[in-house]
Amino acid sequence: DADVTQTPRNRITKTGKRIMLECSQTKGHDRMYWYRQDPGLGLRLIYYSFDVKDINKGEISDGYSVSRQAQAKFSLSLESAIPNQTALYFCATSERGGPGGYTFGSGTRLTVV
Amino acid sequence: AQTVTQSQPEMSVQEAETVTLSCTYDTSESDYYLFWYKQPPSRQMILVIRQEAYKQQNATENRFSVNFQKAAKSFSLKISDSQLGDAAMYFCAYRIPYINTGTASKLTFGTGTRLQVTL
Repeated sequence: DADVTQTPRNRITKTGKRIMLECSQTKGHDRMYWYRQDPGLGLRLIYYSFDVKDINKGEISDGYSVSRQAQAKFSLSLESAIPNQTALYFCATSERGGPGGYTFGSGTRLTVV
Repeated sequence: AQTVTQSQPEMSVQEAETVTLSCTYDTSESDYYLFWYKQPPSRQMILVIRQEAYKQQNATENRFSVNFQKAAKSFSLKISDSQLGDAAMYFCAYRIPYINTGTASKLTFGTGTRLQVTL
């Protein structure tokens, strides 16, 4: 099984619908992140969490919300999806210290029509 | 705010040749980490190589090596003996150590370079 699992892998939804993207990890990492990838823009941070009780906004949090249900689970919600939220979404985890990078999930490709 | 710039949206290299991808960054920190990630068509983000800023020696991982110029704030990736499987999007990324911030240290990404490998 993958260390960081994202569901669904692909999703098409209609404008105005509520949608939740889920992420779970088996790395035992405290820190979890949600990024959005758009062509020509790279990856931009939406939200991040140090632990279950700590949630922080990233650079592009408007229109999104998150929930850290457990150390291993971090979900991203779009309360009312709009077409410019069409993107590839990544969940990632990291350990607390050291020079390590992130461990990424395989991404969710979301299309809002 | 820290920024990461990749000025080459696309690059092409012939199989078995060498290619260098450029990355520059802006920071006022003296201690930080730099990374190169590879994203093949499968879209998985794969860590290729990392460099710790306090280390003068350039990092190397098999056919992948970096040229880290701290004063110039430059961090280029060299791929030697290019293979078809190296075709991917490559992202340069930066973060500062957790201990410096007391908070989760966020990865800041460049906009990516798409590498094409031709026969």
